[in-house]
Amino acid sequence: GAVVSQHPSRVICKSGTSVKIECRSLDFQATTMFWYRQFPKKSLMLMATSNEGSKATYEQGVEKDKFLINHASLTLSTLTVTSAHPEDSSFYICSAKVGLAGSSEQYFGPGTRLTVT
Amino acid sequence: GQNIDQPTEMTATEGAIVQINCTYQTSGFNGLFWYQQHAGEAPTFLSYNVLDGLEEKGRFSSFLSRSKGYSYLLLKELQMKDSASYLCAVRDSNYQLIWGAGTKLIIKP
Repeated sequence: GAVVSQHPSRVICKSGTSVKIECRSLDFQATTMFWYRQFPKKSLMLMATSNEGSKATYEQGVEKDKFLINHASLTLSTLTVTSAHPEDSSFYICSAKVGLAGSSEQYFGPGTRLTVT
Repeated sequence: GQNIDQPTEMTATEGAIVQINCTYQTSGFNGLFWYQQHAGEAPTFLSYNVLDGLEEKGRFSSFLSRSKGYSYLLLKELQMKDSASYLCAVRDSNYQLIWGAGTKLIIKP
């Protein structure tokens, strides 16, 4: 089956610093990647959708200057949390989709737990 | 607005059967998904329904009624490892996934 990896799996950073999270599709080319955020005991919240080679589309309420997304290739997307604050602490999950919009399934990465101290 | 409703928590006994319901109101419909999520982990795909009816996959089955905006996930022969959250998600007319809040399933011996 399709495999999506995320790195790092856990990261602790100090307030004010920036953190980069990588999402890779290991055995397929992902035309579209999604970034989600999940608070404890809450469902997934879509942050942005990124298509290879174009700017990400951010959901309402998500600051694009704070959460920088780069989808430089068909197998790699990165999320950079800039000037992190404790309220940015969360579980960040990426997913990748192959092909056209009618494709039935997204493949999820294992997630990255970010703790900002 | 768009809305996905599912029970917050359910409890069942090992070896038994449990049905987790999901109702939705979305702008358009392009499929309904069920995912399993263990605490601290990312969701894993369980099932996909786009046409009415029952899809069976081993111990898990998923049912869809588009006219009623309703789906359920049926888990048979429950095992302790089935203790997890089960997320219902609907793909809307823009092909975006709208997520339910998840149902925490507790399995007791």
